[in-house]
Amino acid sequence: GENVEQHPSTLSVQEGDSAVIKCTYSDSASNYFPWYKQELGKRPQLIIDIRSNVGEKKDQRIAVTLNKTAKHFSLHITETQPEDSAVYFCAASGVATNKLIFGTGTLLAVQP
Amino acid sequence: SAVISQKPSRDICQRGTSLTIQCQVDSQVTMMFWYRQQPGQSLTLIATANQGSEATYESGFVIDKFPISRPNLTFSTLTVSNMSPEDSSIYLCSVGTSGSFAGQFFGPGTRLTVL
Repeated sequence: GENVEQHPSTLSVQEGDSAVIKCTYSDSASNYFPWYKQELGKRPQLIIDIRSNVGEKKDQRIAVTLNKTAKHFSLHITETQPEDSAVYFCAASGVATNKLIFGTGTLLAVQP
Repeated sequence: SAVISQKPSRDICQRGTSLTIQCQVDSQVTMMFWYRQQPGQSLTLIATANQGSEATYESGFVIDKFPISRPNLTFSTLTVSNMSPEDSSIYLCSVGTSGSFAGQFFGPGTRLTVL
């Protein structure tokens, strides 16, 4: 079955810097890759996603890139702000099952 | 996106008892899922709740321990049976749309503590 690895497990940046979180997946049939942000005590929230027919997607300060050949995808946050501090999860799924397999999470701390 | 609610939001239960968690959506959805999130950990899929048929369980999860119902397209329940302290977790339902878009949206979660 699918396995998703995520790095780093913790990331501390200064406000205004960029943050990058990387994930790799094992199943070449996976074709949908969402990213979730989970603040303490809250539910995971979908912040951006990418499908396998697209190499990059951007939404304001966040972007996701996908390399199908290498089977890895990354989340990029620019101009980080303290409110970006949270745990971020990547995930992968196939259209046939719609089952999401999650990475282990990255705790992002943005220092003011 | 759909509004998803869960009941109860939290509970403290005794070992050996069972708890049923409800998930209600304000619109009809094709797919509903149940996840477990142990303290400080990632999300693990328990099962896919299929409307009108038996749930599809992931490896490591069985129907006797986590029976699931899905009587219609807006509601599902997950029961945690014969609980032990190891079942202490947050349980979340999620909903997804069919087709090429596989995005899922999560309910607020049920925080379960087993003593």
